[in-house]
Amino acid sequence: DTVMTQSPASMSTSVGERVTVNCKASQSVGTVVAWFQQKPGQSPKRLIYLATNRHTGVPDRFTGSGFGRDFTLTISNVEAEDLAVYYCLQYDSIPRTFGGGTKLELK
Amino acid sequence: EVQLVESGGGLVQPGASLKLSCVASGFTFSDYWMSWVRQTPGKTMEWIGDIKYDGSYTNYAPSLKNRFTISRDNAKSTLYLQMSNVRSEDTATYYCTSGLSGWFAYWGQGTLVTVSS
Repeated sequence: DTVMTQSPASMSTSVGERVTVNCKASQSVGTVVAWFQQKPGQSPKRLIYLATNRHTGVPDRFTGSGFGRDFTLTISNVEAEDLAVYYCLQYDSIPRTFGGGTKLELK
Repeated sequence: EVQLVESGGGLVQPGASLKLSCVASGFTFSDYWMSWVRQTPGKTMEWIGDIKYDGSYTNYAPSLKNRFTISRDNAKSTLYLQMSNVRSEDTATYYCTSGLSGWFAYWGQGTLVTVSS
């Protein structure tokens, strides 16, 4: 199985700041990685697919990057509505595997 | 508007069986792969499996393959998850997701399954 090691587990930020969330795959997954945002009481929503492509309607302050084993989700100019848990997912191989999640909180 | 509505969750005893449903609307269901994903109370996300658009092929998480079965009825735009011999560790919120616009693009609101005696 491909293990997705996500970091940090939690982070505090302020509105207007720039934050990065990282996922490291235990083996190469090419660019077959997605990022999801989950707000309290809601289902996950896809932000990024194939490592760098924004899902329809996702603000351009969300940027995905990476290839192979190392992937990053960057949120520029954080807004209060971005406070949520973020997950990465590799869907290159079976079983598809998620990272452990990153909780983004306000300072 | 794409909608996925799961149902069938609830309190179930260990060892029992349960069938979850996911009704899709807003897109041509029969054109897309579909998947099930679950989230534990501790918020861990786990992929369960996928099913091809015509129902002819499935993928499963190896740890669940012997107890869970994914199927679909394209005439009813409905995805199913048959769970058997459930265990306490199967307690989770179960989500269906669509392959419309790529894998895991849209998610339902989830249905909670609680396994307890």
